[in-house]
Amino acid sequence: DAKTTQPPSMDCAEGRAANLPCNHSTISGNEYVYWYRQIHSQGPQYIIHGLKNNETNEMASLIITEDRKSSTLILPHATLRDTAVYYCIVRVGPDSGYALNFGKGTSLLVTP
Amino acid sequence: NAGVTQTPKFQVLKTGQSMTLQCAQDMNHEYMSWYRQDPGMGLRLIHYSVGAGITDQGEVPNGYNVSRSTTEDFPLRLLSAAPSQTSVYFCATEGNSGNTIYFGEGSWLTVV
Repeated sequence: DAKTTQPPSMDCAEGRAANLPCNHSTISGNEYVYWYRQIHSQGPQYIIHGLKNNETNEMASLIITEDRKSSTLILPHATLRDTAVYYCIVRVGPDSGYALNFGKGTSLLVTP
Repeated sequence: NAGVTQTPKFQVLKTGQSMTLQCAQDMNHEYMSWYRQDPGMGLRLIHYSVGAGITDQGEVPNGYNVSRSTTEDFPLRLLSAAPSQTSVYFCATEGNSGNTIYFGEGSWLTVV
């Protein structure tokens, strides 16, 4: 199963863009990259996902490198409510139950 | 967290007791799953189901049973609770048309 590597923590000033990197150098051609976040111990909240093209929705943008070995989640204008743990996940296939392999994530602190 | 309802939210069990965590969804999603989250760690898949009458094991299935008699419900049973099963449990669902997985708010279980 493809593994992901994220920095354990990051800071961002309120109103600035938060750029969260993720390395997934062993990703397979048909595996999607997902981003979730978790605030305190609430249920993980879906943010965005993609295969190889860049994606954008109302919450964030996902930039995937051409070789698909890394990606960046961009929160364009971070707010204090964006303080959370962000998980970059490569979703595995049917042999592993289509599981989302959560690592330890990046703890993002947005400061005033 | 969309239409995923977990009950109970909090539960304390004695070692050896049995109980069932309930998960219900009103989105007619085929795929449902159970994860557990231990302190400082990401979520790990326990069991999953791709439709009514079909269940399979995830990464950490030991000590848990599931069944899927209807599309809406996916209960998780602890047959003989152990302190190692103290954790936060999350139910998740996914529809056929997209790749977005929605999580419930979690069930906090303590086994003493």
